[in-house]
Amino acid sequence: DAGITQSPRHKVTETGTPVTLRCHQTENHRYMYWYRQDPGHGLRLIHYSYGVKDTDKGEVSDGYSVSRSKTEDFLLTLESATSSQTSVYFCAISYIQGFRTDTQYFGPGTRLTVL
Amino acid sequence: QQPVQSPQAVILREGEDAVINCSSSKALYSVHWYRQKHGEAPVFLMILLKGGEQKGHEKISASFNEKKQQSSLYLTASQLSYSGTYFCGTPDTEGADKLIFGTGTRLQVFP
Repeated sequence: DAGITQSPRHKVTETGTPVTLRCHQTENHRYMYWYRQDPGHGLRLIHYSYGVKDTDKGEVSDGYSVSRSKTEDFLLTLESATSSQTSVYFCAISYIQGFRTDTQYFGPGTRLTVL
Repeated sequence: QQPVQSPQAVILREGEDAVINCSSSKALYSVHWYRQKHGEAPVFLMILLKGGEQKGHEKISASFNEKKQQSSLYLTASQLSYSGTYFCGTPDTEGADKLIFGTGTRLQVFP
């Protein structure tokens, strides 16, 4: 199994509070991704990173920011959580070689509830 | 734009076969298949690249028809362990460094 951990695994918070989720990898992979998963929508990309301090937006990036100061850590921040951000959040890593989109390995997920 | 998966759900008895389809209105450069069991993370099954090749994983195989912009996942003689939600993912451009996933097909296998 790829060495990916997410913390916390569960969190309940209130509307308007800031929340930070952490993804940590031990594989030294260049690419890291944050997804949210909601019923009927599958996995939707929030943000991703292609190197230290290099990040880009995904399809549902509004209300989220990310940071990557080290290869192994990718942080997802909800500046002011809203109930619509209640979801399961997955981190994934990938090693992309050459010109081929490669396999993504997923972390265990974080279940976030915003009241 | 998300690839479209069909059917949305499948119910099987052990030993029966199933086919899950993934189609796109845009060109497909590669197709990635994942399975997610309830409460767990998605797990990689296989990648299919251009050329219509077929790949296999246990009794699960898949095909990729780039002209039809479609991939199909074949589950043969299904086992209880095959239950879960199956997702296809595709890069939105050739060599893109991110995938767009379909909405998933839920498969339930009963004894």
